[in-house]
Amino acid sequence: AQRVTQPEKLLSVFKGAPVELKCNYSYSGSPELFWYVQYSRQRLQLLLRHISRESIKGFTADLNKGETSFHLKKPFAQEEDSAMYYCAPPNNTGGFKTIFGAGTRLFVKA
Amino acid sequence: GAVVSQHPSWVICKSGTSVKIECRSLDFQATTMFWYRQFPKQSLMLMATSNEGSKATYEQGVEKDKFLINHASLTLSTLTVTSAHPEDSSFYICSARRDSSNTEAFFGQGTRLTVV
Repeated sequence: AQRVTQPEKLLSVFKGAPVELKCNYSYSGSPELFWYVQYSRQRLQLLLRHISRESIKGFTADLNKGETSFHLKKPFAQEEDSAMYYCAPPNNTGGFKTIFGAGTRLFVKA
Repeated sequence: GAVVSQHPSWVICKSGTSVKIECRSLDFQATTMFWYRQFPKQSLMLMATSNEGSKATYEQGVEKDKFLINHASLTLSTLTVTSAHPEDSSFYICSARRDSSNTEAFFGQGTRLTVV
């Protein structure tokens, strides 16, 4: 089945350390993937999208077709980056809908 | 920006009663809205896709008669939990898209339902 997979449920790093949240996909071609973030007591919001190729809050994500991955990276983690991160797939069959994977909880320690 | 608002933010109801949750797109028209359920420390589970003017499309395992969805206008979708039971207690989140292309989804703040 076509899906995205986030293998890590929890990722804990120290402040200032590099962080990489993994996301692998099983779609063909170059899917338009997204990263969403949910901070504590806040609503889910878009962090960045593959096609924009921009850096948001120091985060970047590159689509690697060879590895079928869309890992989220930041060179120096900050405490305020602690949140739940979701890699989201493109539209699915039967309509345009966003089905989330398990998500990865990032905890940045002081 | 695009704002999606849910009402109420939290609700407590007695077992056996029904609860209606509203999802509104405040500054754009949403032909499609989505309803999710989220358990503590878990991911969002898509329950159904709500299409304006037509029947909702439910995900496998979601009871249609239990979770009634109505999308009567381009800015409002409602989720009614009928004959609620304690196991229905959860965090319900809606999202909306501006159009039918695969663009960003905008999320409501969520509604915490507690059934006692």
